[in-house]
Amino acid sequence: GQQLNQSPQSMFIQEGEDVSMNCTSSSIFNTWLWYKQEPGEGPVLLIALYKAGELTSNGRLTAQFGITRKDSFLNISASIPSDVGIYFCAGQRGSARQLTFGSGTQLTVLP
Amino acid sequence: DAGVIQSPRHEVTEMGQEVTLRCKPISGHNSLFWYRQTMMRGLELLIYFNNNVPIDDSGMPEDRFSAKMPNASFSTLKIQPSEPRDSAVYFCASSSRTGGLGGANVLTFGAGSRLTVL
Repeated sequence: GQQLNQSPQSMFIQEGEDVSMNCTSSSIFNTWLWYKQEPGEGPVLLIALYKAGELTSNGRLTAQFGITRKDSFLNISASIPSDVGIYFCAGQRGSARQLTFGSGTQLTVLP
Repeated sequence: DAGVIQSPRHEVTEMGQEVTLRCKPISGHNSLFWYRQTMMRGLELLIYFNNNVPIDDSGMPEDRFSAKMPNASFSTLKIQPSEPRDSAVYFCASSSRTGGLGGANVLTFGAGSRLTVL
């Protein structure tokens, strides 16, 4: 089963608003990744975080790797309609190659 | 690069039939993953291969599921016999670990195969 708790499950926001979502785990992860999935497509990587405390931006997206290595958050500033989709956090533990995924945050941006 | 290529994109079949899903990973990637996505259980890892060798198949639901990777550019996921509860979107992903031991492992996903078993 899934080991990552992602919240919120869904969000309805007005265009232009900022968005924040997060993932927590009882286990330590060495890498945190954030993916976005649009309807009919596979998840696409947005941001990868490799070090505890790391803060990384990709355009209007900013993500942080928690100091405890058990959490991460993703912020989207000044949301636009094309931000609509499902956002997933994913973690990599130890030397494992596989990723464990959160349950996703469904984002809806209202015009 | 064409990315990870999966086929078919959609398949509708009847219970009891054999289903074969196909995946071509990104050239040069040495790890391949099969995930299943459902509303109830989200993204679940079924199996992954490293250098064409199955490493972890603990996520494969039961003996009806099998996966092969005969070479570095092709993998199949087979369900025989299929059941309605197998209905889901099946994703293939590939990766090439950066750095040494413990280096980052960024997965690139295909567009998925949506399976409906009636």
